[in-house]
Amino acid sequence: NAGVTQTPKFQVLKTGQSMTLQCAQDMNHNSMYWYRQDPGMGLRLIYYSASEGTTDKGEVPNGYNVSRLNKREFSLRLESAAPSQTSVYFCASRRTATDTQYFGPGTRLTVL
Amino acid sequence: AQRVTQPEKLLSVFKGAPVELKCNYSYSGSPELFWYVQYSRQRLQLLLRHISRESIKGFTADLNKGETSFHLKKPFAQEEDSAMYYCALSKDTDKLIFGTGTRLQVFP
Repeated sequence: NAGVTQTPKFQVLKTGQSMTLQCAQDMNHNSMYWYRQDPGMGLRLIYYSASEGTTDKGEVPNGYNVSRLNKREFSLRLESAAPSQTSVYFCASRRTATDTQYFGPGTRLTVL
Repeated sequence: AQRVTQPEKLLSVFKGAPVELKCNYSYSGSPELFWYVQYSRQRLQLLLRHISRESIKGFTADLNKGETSFHLKKPFAQEEDSAMYYCALSKDTDKLIFGTGTRLQVFP
């Protein structure tokens, strides 16, 4: 099993550009998550999907949209990137609410 | 509101010294608590969770409901323990609340 995979690994954008971060898991997990990791801020939840077909806002959803394409895939879209969105983005998944979360390798995004 | 506090941004010790990474939480009830670790340039991974009451890589953590703490301890630190450590809380929800993390540096 590949676990949780993310693409791309690195990305540089100009302010105002858009892009989609992809995440996929092959563990048949129900819940999927998007976090951003910033120095001194820890991990903050952007959006999550408790099950296929549902999405909910986390702590810092502004400027982002998500799509739970199917059970395996959960994408994060930046419609108009801003320098404040420079961060490392992690996708995670877990089978049930009481299980541990499994994380992807991260996407390092820089917005100039 | 649920909240996790890790008061130390950086903890530096010498190899063989005891280590304690502090974690305090705010939650009314019985939370589920976790410690995650992120080694340099690697993904986050679960280190341990309180309901397992197990020792992983020599680390243990005891839930103290009276002090609302879940400190991570290891009696003898190793250089390979150098990493970022995150405490996290979850209860009756699909969401994990993370602390801001503590970087552990173990010097030879």
